[in-house]
Amino acid sequence: DIQMTQSPSSLSASVGDRVTITCRASQGISNYLAWYQQKPGKVPKLLIYAASTLQSGVPSRFSGSGSGTDFTLTISSLQPEDVATYYCQKYNSAPPFTFGPGTKVDIK
Amino acid sequence: EVQLVESGGGLVQPGGSLRLSCAASGFTFSSYAMHWVRQAPGKGLEYVSAISSNGGSTYYANSVKGRFTISRDNSKNTLYLQMGSLRAEDMAVYYCARGPSGFDYWGQGTLVTVSS
Repeated sequence: DIQMTQSPSSLSASVGDRVTITCRASQGISNYLAWYQQKPGKVPKLLIYAASTLQSGVPSRFSGSGSGTDFTLTISSLQPEDVATYYCQKYNSAPPFTFGPGTKVDIK
Repeated sequence: EVQLVESGGGLVQPGGSLRLSCAASGFTFSSYAMHWVRQAPGKGLEYVSAISSNGGSTYYANSVKGRFTISRDNSKNTLYLQMGSLRAEDMAVYYCARGPSGFDYWGQGTLVTVSS
């Protein structure tokens, strides 16, 4: 099975900072990569699919890039409401649609 | 409006069984593969099981293979997860979710507690 890794596991940044989270697949997955935001006690929310397509209603400060094995999620200007754990997920071909271990983002 | 509503969680003893349900509405349920994802307390998301739109294909994570069974009733717009031989490590919030390009809709989750 393809394994997903994320880095860093956690980060602390100031409001207005640019934040980048990296996700790596153990094998190429083309652009079959999704990003989720999960706030404490809440259901995961789809932010980005197909590596770079913003889900409807998601603020434009979120963006995604990458293809193959290396992907990034960028928050262009961190806001207090962005405090959450972020997960990547691969969904190419057949299951398992494995999640990365998550990156916890908080405000410095 | 798309809705996924899980039910069936609760307290069960180790070795026991439980059946989770996920009632779908607001979309053509029979056109979508469906998935179960779980999250143990304080942990990340774990992909558990999947079923194709017509129920003909299923997938199970190694951690639940042989103990859990996923099924669906397209006439009732409902997804199921039959869980058996439950272990302490199965304790988690279980979510149903809809694909296919990422999981755009999730249920609210149902908590399964395994304890004597």
